[in-house]
Amino acid sequence: SYVLTQPPSLSVAPGKTAIITCGGNNVGTKSVHWYQQKSGQAPVLVIYFDTDRPSGIPERFSGSASGSTATLTISRVEAGDEADYYCQVWDGSGDRLSLFGGGTKLTVL
Amino acid sequence: VQLVESGGGLVRLGGSLRLSCAGSGFNFITYSMNWVRQAPGKGLEWISYISSSSKTIYYADSVKGRFTVSRDNAENSLFLQLKNLRADDTAVYYCARGHGDYPTGWFDPWGQGTLVTVSS
Repeated sequence: SYVLTQPPSLSVAPGKTAIITCGGNNVGTKSVHWYQQKSGQAPVLVIYFDTDRPSGIPERFSGSASGSTATLTISRVEAGDEADYYCQVWDGSGDRLSLFGGGTKLTVL
Repeated sequence: VQLVESGGGLVRLGGSLRLSCAGSGFNFITYSMNWVRQAPGKGLEWISYISSSSKTIYYADSVKGRFTVSRDNAENSLFLQLKNLRADDTAVYYCARGHGDYPTGWFDPWGQGTLVTVSS
């Protein structure tokens, strides 16, 4: 079955850029969506269709996807960006038609 | 736009539970809906999709045959019937609105979640 692989953790200093990857076989041919989940809260959509940003999400959040890697980039990281980030795709086959990556814990130093 | 889950609680191994999700602030009848769960300290797991008309329903293999999704568009409500519960069903269960009526889209918004704890 299809698998999305994310690094478990990432630490970034305030003001720097965080790059969170999501690896999967030809993931660039699928639509990738990204969610932010702060501690004790429900997930929030931050990027959809690889690159689009919902209203209310800062321009500091951007996404891209090509080949076997999708990427969520957070520019000028702030303390409030500390959260778990998950990528998600629709696979349409296997035991989970829609699936998430394992999540990346972003720590702001 | 708001989703509010209810119905979680403590249940015995092999028991049953019915979760509800009330939608408001949007035209519920035109959107697909999903259930996603998160075990304590773990990641997100999609478990079910239901189209706007209930004609198309999907489940993850992990819950197929034990969980049943349904909706009442007149009441702007989504349901998940959980049966034959196992210890590994312990999780926070979220309802999430789909992208129009497509299973291929994103989930937005999400409810606050309701905790289901399965004990022996």
